[in-house]
Amino acid sequence: ETGVTQTPRHLVMGMTNKKSLKCEQHLGHNAMYWYKQSAKKPLELMFVYSLEERVENNSVPSRFSPECPNSSHLFLHLHTLQPEDSALYLCASSQDGTGGYNEQFFGPGTRLTVL
Amino acid sequence: GQNIDQPTEMTATEGAIVQINCTYQTSGFNGLFWYQQHAGEAPTFLSYNVLDGLEEKGRFSSFLSRSKGYSYLLLKELQMKDSASYLCAVMDSNYQLIWGAGTKLIIKP
Repeated sequence: ETGVTQTPRHLVMGMTNKKSLKCEQHLGHNAMYWYKQSAKKPLELMFVYSLEERVENNSVPSRFSPECPNSSHLFLHLHTLQPEDSALYLCASSQDGTGGYNEQFFGPGTRLTVL
Repeated sequence: GQNIDQPTEMTATEGAIVQINCTYQTSGFNGLFWYQQHAGEAPTFLSYNVLDGLEEKGRFSSFLSRSKGYSYLLLKELQMKDSASYLCAVMDSNYQLIWGAGTKLIIKP
């Protein structure tokens, strides 16, 4: 595997379900990101991890819970979601997360539908 | 507040030239990025500008004017595969990327 991978690619869940999204980067980067992408809206940054420490949490509801066990893996745990949470969830990584030029490399995303 | 504006949708003809504009108002500036995103795929990096002027990379060029809070992406010799969304993003004083909503580019034969 190369680049940034995400699983699953598609997920349909009920409002009472618990599920997790997984992201893995094979680039040796130190920072990882979760974004939410809704139709015709800007990418919304949800969480940033740098060297496995969370450095940014943009007021995301507690029904979204991130986990970064090491610099290569990032999870987003989901529980009691709402229909408005249906969106494309993108994971990205960059060499550094705390300053300077930072080209971000994106995974293909997980298309989430909440019924 | 911070804001990135770009047109929602543009249409162009195969073989032609198209310019996609981006204006921004952010708290600080540490560079501007352009990304390409095909439907159902990951955004991929196209260009980065931090100084005023034009950066050319093959058929794609990106221009920046920091005093005007303005950038454009210029695509030449358009091909059908250039049909995609083009995302403008500015890195603010906290090195956080502020994203525009993207411009959907439709290429017609």
